[in-house]
Order: sequence, then structure tokens, then C-alpha cells
Amino acid sequence: KNQVEQSPQSLIILEGKNCTLQCNYTVSPFSNLRWYKQDTGRGPVSLTIMTFSENTKSNGRYTATLDADTKQSSLHITASQLSDSASYICVVSARDNDMRFGAGTRLTVKP
Amino acid sequence: DAGVIQSPRHEVTEMGQEVTLRCKPISGHNSLFWYRQTMMRGLELLIYFNNNVPIDDSGMPEDRFSAKMPNASFSTLKIQPSEPRDSAVYFCASSPSGVGGETQYFGPGTRLLVL
Repeated sequence: KNQVEQSPQSLIILEGKNCTLQCNYTVSPFSNLRWYKQDTGRGPVSLTIMTFSENTKSNGRYTATLDADTKQSSLHITASQLSDSASYICVVSARDNDMRFGAGTRLTVKP
Repeated sequence: DAGVIQSPRHEVTEMGQEVTLRCKPISGHNSLFWYRQTMMRGLELLIYFNNNVPIDDSGMPEDRFSAKMPNASFSTLKIQPSEPRDSAVYFCASSPSGVGGETQYFGPGTRLLVL
């Protein structure tokens, strides 16, 4: 079983709407959690990185939350734009660069 | 800054051939990572270097894969002999010091197809 589970697998929303992507993990011990955005045909781009002591972190219209007790994270996208269409990957590290990868959520924003 | 540079961008080869992928990290970055991405398995870390020294190669699939970093500005990932199941997109990434929790900057990837 993957130690990092993302949901939903795919999501379609209308431009301007908000959405929330989920990441549940069983990785232990926990060092940090990253959210990446990956456009089709391109490399992933880091959105946020959170350590154990951080509950929330924002990057523009992207806000990530972390509940280390329940081992859950979410990525909230506000006022979605067509350019938000991409795959969003959650990566959890047990220590330093010992990383576990989620399968990603494919988001499509339609006009 | 040009970002992480990878070459070639696309590679098509026949089974059994040697494949060499190249990466130039961002200048001044001390850590370099090689990843593989497929539809079936998603993103996987193959190996990473810190100050040109391989730190963790536990993700390297088998002996057919090897990686080197002869200097701070260049790394190669070699597959010999290649097999169809090696078909994937291979990404190189770099980070300033490799400390956990640090942003990694990815290159555009090399799309490899082994026939």
C-alpha cells in the first residue's frame, strides 16, 4: 500500500471556483510535506513545503494545510484559473530526502 | 539563471542499446536528484548526490542503471542495456544544499522510449 494517498484521482471544476485536494499519509517519522504542481510535459514545480510545526502555508492562490496528528494535508486553490489545470503531487519525507510520492490529482479547470 | 538543463529532451532507442541522460544543475546548488516518472508508478527518486557524492541510490532499479557526478555542474544517468520497461520521463532536479525541506528545482525532463 502506498504510504501517500491522494484524492481525488481527477477533478474537473469551472473557472473561478475553489477546490481542495487531499493527501493522507502513513510515513513515519515525519520530516516534511511538499506539494508540487506539474503541467503536462513539464517538470514539477514546488508550491509549498511544510514541516511538522507548520499548520498552514500559502503561495498566492494556493494554501496548504497540515495536520500532523491525523497525518492529513490539503491543498486549497482559490478562484481557479485555466492555468491551474495540471497534476498536483504530494510528497512526504520521512527524513531529509527519504521521499514518498503520491500518485497525484489531475485537475482540469474549464471555462 | 537558466534553471536545470537536461539533454536530450527526447530519446528513442532500441532495446539493448546504451542510453546516457545528461543534467546540468543550477549554478551554486550542491545537491542533485534523478527521478523517473511513469503513468503506472508515478514519480520515483532514483538517486541523489550531495557535493558530487552519491548519498542514496536505493531507488536505482537494478545494475543496468548507473549515475555519476564528476563535477558540480554535470551529472549523467546511464542505462546499459536498455529495456522497453525503462521507457519513462527522467527528471533531474537540484537544490541549494540538499537539506530536508528545501525547495528542489526540476528540469524539463528527458522522455525516453525504448523499443
